[in-house]
Amino acid sequence: QQQVKQSPQSLIVQKGGISIINCAYENTAFDYFPWYQQFPGKGPALLIAIRPDVSEKKEGRFTISFNKSAKQFSLHIMDSQPGDSATYFCAASAGTGNQFYFGTGTSLTVIP
Amino acid sequence: DTAVSQTPKYLVTQMGNDKSIKCEQNLGHDTMYWYKQDSKKFLKIMFSYNNKELIINETVPNRFSPKSPDKAHLNLHINSLELGDSAVYFCASNQVGPNSPLHFGNGTRLTVT
Repeated sequence: QQQVKQSPQSLIVQKGGISIINCAYENTAFDYFPWYQQFPGKGPALLIAIRPDVSEKKEGRFTISFNKSAKQFSLHIMDSQPGDSATYFCAASAGTGNQFYFGTGTSLTVIP
Repeated sequence: DTAVSQTPKYLVTQMGNDKSIKCEQNLGHDTMYWYKQDSKKFLKIMFSYNNKELIINETVPNRFSPKSPDKAHLNLHINSLELGDSAVYFCASNQVGPNSPLHFGNGTRLTVT
């Protein structure tokens, strides 16, 4: 059973456009929602994270929007650049954070 | 000064062999993990150790045996390798507590022929 559902599986965006990746969860015990960025041949790296007590968090061109009642959260990449081309994973954990549940990943391609 | 380092980066071996992957972290974290990433990029947790004690052991064949000699090291030994074991294996670490993200190594690509 997939604890965190992620869509789309792949995304192609023009340079300068907005990339949007969506995730949904069921377990209301989740209280930490990180996003990871993975380049080919590398491990996933933390991009940005949010807790459910805020509805939005912004770091540079990256924004997480969080809807607690709908149990959904999304990553927005503004002014997408070719260097943003990577696989993005959403994740969720609860409490002390030993168990992370990952989405299935979104392969983002930004066309120059 | 890589935070989470794994060796080897690539491992090509034949079915039936036994192999090990090593992981070390210099972040001072107390918890380490092994994840498996399949060809569809799905990340699946295999094991988690906290201060050398096994705390997560997902449904993994018992041919896989983790060993943690100290809290900075977590190795993975695989016996009798099978074709289906081909994947990328990631080591990760974090400090137990809220809002503690995982720090991943760069992976070991295992190919079983």
